[in-house]
Amino acid sequence: SQQGEEDPQALSIQEGENATMNCSYKTSINNLQWYRQNSGRGLVHLILIRSNEREKHSGRLRVTLDTSKKSSSLLITASRAADTASYFCATDVSNFGNEKLTFGTGTRLTIIP
Amino acid sequence: DTAVSQTPKYLVTQMGNDKSIKCEQNLGHDTMYWYKQDSKKFLKIMFSYNNKELIINETVPNRFSPKSPDKAHLNLHINSLELGDSAVYFCASSQRGVADEQFFGPGTRLTVL
Repeated sequence: SQQGEEDPQALSIQEGENATMNCSYKTSINNLQWYRQNSGRGLVHLILIRSNEREKHSGRLRVTLDTSKKSSSLLITASRAADTASYFCATDVSNFGNEKLTFGTGTRLTIIP
Repeated sequence: DTAVSQTPKYLVTQMGNDKSIKCEQNLGHDTMYWYKQDSKKFLKIMFSYNNKELIINETVPNRFSPKSPDKAHLNLHINSLELGDSAVYFCASSQRGVADEQFFGPGTRLTVL
């Protein structure tokens, strides 16, 4: 089973609206990262939030982390057509030197002009 | 300047052949990775190298052999290609392992016929 699972799997909204994506994970983490992937391209890092942080902002992006519920959310405000992409959460569950990021299943976001 | 570059972008080959994918990063990062993204967009770590040393081999068949000639390069050689190897392979790098954001290459789409 996946460490991270995004919800919803797909989301379509009108341009200008806000988009919220959620990520749930199973084991304790050191940090959680969000990435964007445009069609046919590599992943681009958006935000990293550490386990002792609850909220971070970057431009139109807001990420929250609730370690008690093992969940995170990514909010994109005032969406634009260029935000159309897949969004992935990735968790760092490093222990005993086994350092790796485990990616979730992704949310495909479509912004309708 | 491209931060993480991969060649080739597309690779089409017959079953049983041997092929290589090259990756270079000009960011001065210590850690490099290979990921495999399947047709459902699930991204999974294959290998991780830190300063030319292998630190993660995520139960990848030994037909896959990474080679890191120096800190800036991590190549992937695949022997005896199988149909199930068809996927998009991404190289990535980060400054200090999974504690930092990762920078991804554009990906290599491998198709095995």
